[in-house]
Formats: sequence, C-alpha cells, structure tokens
Amino acid sequence: EAGVAQSPRYKIIEKRQSVAFWCNPISGHATLYWYQQILGQGPKLLIQFQNNGVVDDSQLPKDRFSAERLKGVDSTLKIQPAKLEDSAVYLCASSLEPNSYNSPLHFGNGTRLTVT
Amino acid sequence: DQQVKQNSPSLSVQEGRISILNCDYTNSMFDYFLWYKKYPAEGPTFLISISSIKDKNEDGRFTVFLNKSAKHLSLHIVPSQPGDSAVYFCAWGSQGNLIFGKGTKLSVKP
Repeated sequence: EAGVAQSPRYKIIEKRQSVAFWCNPISGHATLYWYQQILGQGPKLLIQFQNNGVVDDSQLPKDRFSAERLKGVDSTLKIQPAKLEDSAVYLCASSLEPNSYNSPLHFGNGTRLTVT
Repeated sequence: DQQVKQNSPSLSVQEGRISILNCDYTNSMFDYFLWYKKYPAEGPTFLISISSIKDKNEDGRFTVFLNKSAKHLSLHIVPSQPGDSAVYFCAWGSQGNLIFGKGTKLSVKP
C-alpha cells in the first residue's frame, strides 16, 4: 500500500511569513494526525482528525496555526505568522481508527521547516 | 513534566550483541506502549507494541518487556544488526493519546 505522502520536504521562510504543509494519508485511514518534532525531542501532537472532524486540537497554538481536512482525506496545516521557535519537522500520520494498540500510526517523511 | 522518559540519548553496540533500550513512565493509567524506529530524513515506523495486561511481547529479533511495578519498559534487540542503527522512540498510549519520549539513538557497529 502507498504510504502517507507529505509535501514539501523542506521549507525555509523568514519569521512573520506564512507557510502551508500538505498531507495525503493512506487510503481508507479515517484518522489523521499532525505532529511537531523539534530537534532532540519526540513528536508532539498538534491536532487529530477523525474523518473531517477535529478530535483533539488542545496543543495547537490556534493564534498562528490552523489545520483543515475538508473532504475527510487530504489535510493542510498552516502557520501564519511563523516564529523562530516553529522551526521543526512537521509529521503527518494516519491510522485506520483512533490510535489504539491494534491500529498504530503510519507516519509520512515529514516537512522540515526552518524559520530564519 | 515528562510522562515518558528515555534517559539514554545514545547507545552503541557491537553487531551480533544484544541492544537494550529503556523507557520509564510516570502515569500508571495507560493502555499500551509502542516502540517506533526512525531513520534520518524519514518518518517514524512502528516496530512493536505491548498492552497493559502483558509483561512481554516478542516479534522476531525484537522483544519488549513491561515491568509495571517499576514503571519501566525495555526493548531488546537480539542479535543487533548494522541496519538497526536508528533513533528509537517509546510512546505511551491511552484513550487515543500518544505521548512520545525523546528517543535513544542506537548505533550498531560492524
């Protein structure tokens, strides 16, 4: 099966600019996640979708981050305006059902964002 | 406060020997643990899991041990191979939430 697709792979922007990331999950996976991984840390959940509805966005900095999954398939994550501390790898993941023992997450290769 | 702690940032092992990666946790209200492996410039890939009702799970060269009284989890890789060189993350799961440790970088030397 095709894996989780993400684009772009790399992005360099200046602070206060905006940026958008795209994710296409594995076909048939209803649950989609966006994680932020800062260098030297483990991935941290930003937002979780079940189909096109938000399940958990408690750790999403809503003053600058937004995400949508309009048709329950592809998703975009946007940052506007970006700050230096947003430099990280943004990982998209999907699973057949909400994260459980029998339904582990499948991750894409991520987008490495550098904010200068 | 970290709920999942991987206290060793790195580990170096000789090919053919055993690799033991450790993880400590603070919250007893978990459903399962998962281990993920990550190569540079790739996303994490699922390796092995263990539910809260077990104390051991084995899959080929990989075995995970869970000691609930000590709140400690370990991943054993036997025998270690150069291709196992990667960053290993343990993750704590409960009710849909997945919390990752900081990872341990394993280097397996030929």
